[in-house]
Amino acid sequence: GAGVSQTPSNKVTEKGKYVELRCDPISGHTALYWYRQSLGQGPEFLIYFQGTGAADDSGLPNDRFFAVRPEGSVSTLKIQRTERGDSAVYLCASSKTGTDEQYFGPGTRLTVT
Amino acid sequence: RKEVEQDPGPFNVPEGATVAFNCTYSNSASQSFFWYRQDCRKEPKLLMSVYSSGNEDGRFTAQLNRASQYISLLIRDSKLSDSATYLCVVNHSNDYKLSFGAGTTVTVRA
Repeated sequence: GAGVSQTPSNKVTEKGKYVELRCDPISGHTALYWYRQSLGQGPEFLIYFQGTGAADDSGLPNDRFFAVRPEGSVSTLKIQRTERGDSAVYLCASSKTGTDEQYFGPGTRLTVT
Repeated sequence: RKEVEQDPGPFNVPEGATVAFNCTYSNSASQSFFWYRQDCRKEPKLLMSVYSSGNEDGRFTAQLNRASQYISLLIRDSKLSDSATYLCVVNHSNDYKLSFGAGTTVTVRA
């Protein structure tokens, strides 16, 4: 079946702009996660959704970052006033529940110029 | 100190060789452990879970040493297709939150 999909695959934006990154989880997966991976590093946890609610947003670096999942399926990660340090690959993952194997999407490569 | 630390490598090995590497974790209360594989510019994929008794999956063997807080991965009879970055992953409380190491790069040459 279809895996996790993310759009866009690449996004180049100017410093100070607003961006939205989209994640389509595997159908039927109630748990959804966002991670950020900088060059030469492993993915870092940002936020976890169980259904529509953000069960844990402790990994969001500051209040410029926000994520929603209004219908318990598709999620959008929103970044306001982007900074060059936000440049990274943003990975989305989903799992059947919060304790099952996480399946990752291909990521969105964000470049802030 | 990082939660999960790995030797970044690279480990350059000829086809057919055995390669092994470790990762260490700082939280002694960590509950579950995994190895993920990540190809260049691709997403991480689960390679195998790591059990206390050690486990094997084909040419891959994973070991856990709780006393010394390290996990190892051994690849036997290396194939060109094993070239990738191997991410050590720790879960502190058997929940959703995975902590990733920075990865160990393995390159298998013909």
